[in-house]
Amino acid sequence: EVQLVQSGAEVKKPGESLRISCEGSGYSFSTYWIGWVRQMPGKGLEWMGSIYPGDSDTTYSPSFQGQVIISADKSISTAYLQWNSLRASDTAMYYCARQYGSGFYDPWGQGTLVTVSS
Amino acid sequence: DIQMTQSPSSLSASVGDRVTLSCRASQSIGSYLNWYQQKPGKAPKLLIYGASTSPSGVPSRFSGSGSGTDFTLTISSLQPEDLARYYCQQSYSIPRTFGPGTKVEIK
Repeated sequence: EVQLVQSGAEVKKPGESLRISCEGSGYSFSTYWIGWVRQMPGKGLEWMGSIYPGDSDTTYSPSFQGQVIISADKSISTAYLQWNSLRASDTAMYYCARQYGSGFYDPWGQGTLVTVSS
Repeated sequence: DIQMTQSPSSLSASVGDRVTLSCRASQSIGSYLNWYQQKPGKAPKLLIYGASTSPSGVPSRFSGSGSGTDFTLTISSLQPEDLARYYCQQSYSIPRTFGPGTKVEIK
């Protein structure tokens, strides 16, 4: 079974750093892009960017470029989403998802809730 | 960026009704249009890709159509478990944008 399992919920203070993870199983992790999607409380889905674990080629939405870092370690089939200095506005649910060649996402991870509050 | 719009923003229908959701792209995207279902408190789930193809396991009451800028998701006979928000997403270009969603409620 193809599965993406994300790390657990996080509570952080503004200015702190954070890295959340997404571990793939049941398929060749290196050969599919992984995308990250933000969902702020009560809001819709926002595409943040994606990474090809095979060579770490990365693409970002202009809205998130410079705000987050997407990385991957293909040796442990894990992708990451990282912040160097969190803001309260980063409070959201974050999903990873496997991207097929034509750009659709399936399956999705269960989501990681990030809460940033002083 | 390609902007995606969806209508209506919400609807309420009875079990057994035929329901039609619309999605429009700000420029032509061919058939690079995907639909997702997000049930309350859950991660999104792929319903339709390539405008009209259903992954295995998706109930046959869900169907998609359209090309270019105008697309439709149809639920042929609404079921109680279809309570969810439905999002369209274009995969024609980067950034891969989503529509704001349509919330489907059961009367």
